Amino acid sequence: ILNVEQSPQSLHVQEGDSTNFTCSFPSSNFYALHWYRWETAKSPEALFVMTLNGDEKKKGRISATLNTKEGYSYLYIKGSQPEDSATYLCAFDNDMRFGAGTRLTVKP
Amino acid sequence: EAQVTQNPRYLITVTGKKLTVTCSQNMNHEYMSWYRQDPGLGLRQIYYSMNVEVTDKGDVPEGYKVSRKEKRNFPLILESPSPNQTSLYFCASRDRVGNQPQHFGDGTRLSIL
Repeated sequence: ILNVEQSPQSLHVQEGDSTNFTCSFPSSNFYALHWYRWETAKSPEALFVMTLNGDEKKKGRISATLNTKEGYSYLYIKGSQPEDSATYLCAFDNDMRFGAGTRLTVKP
Repeated sequence: EAQVTQNPRYLITVTGKKLTVTCSQNMNHEYMSWYRQDPGLGLRQIYYSMNVEVTDKGDVPEGYKVSRKEKRNFPLILESPSPNQTSLYFCASRDRVGNQPQHFGDGTRLSIL
């Protein structure tokens, strides 16, 4: 079983803070890594698909980087807003196995 | 509109009474999967299907069955539900070409008493 690990499990920040969290995955036989955003009472929505070592993708204030050799991806949120409060999930493309997620709470 | 549709959205039932949660997608996706979400455990894969008549176990398949007779439908069957299957369930589908992300249904909240 290939484990996908996310840290921290939860994070509380103040509005305006920048933050980041980690997804680690097996570095062998890598195809792609997916990031999703999951708001309470909704279904997960795709943020990024990371495929190449050194990839960096950006959507508004959210960006992600990928290191396939060491098996990790970072998700960054610049200037967090209350509407960024959600659980952020990563999934390993080989088998679409998810990490447990990082639950972000942004306080006004 | 491209979507994954699950039914029912909510169900309260009793131990041992067979139930089926339906999942249908209109995007002609080959890959479909079922997850359950429990507090602190994230999304755990129950079963997945790479194509019609091809299904495989995920991490937590015990107590569940699936079928994939048509490309668009992937029902989840609980033959004899038990309280430990009380959970939030998500169906998802994706295009297998090009590392595409999964599209999720709205979720089904099952309570087994």
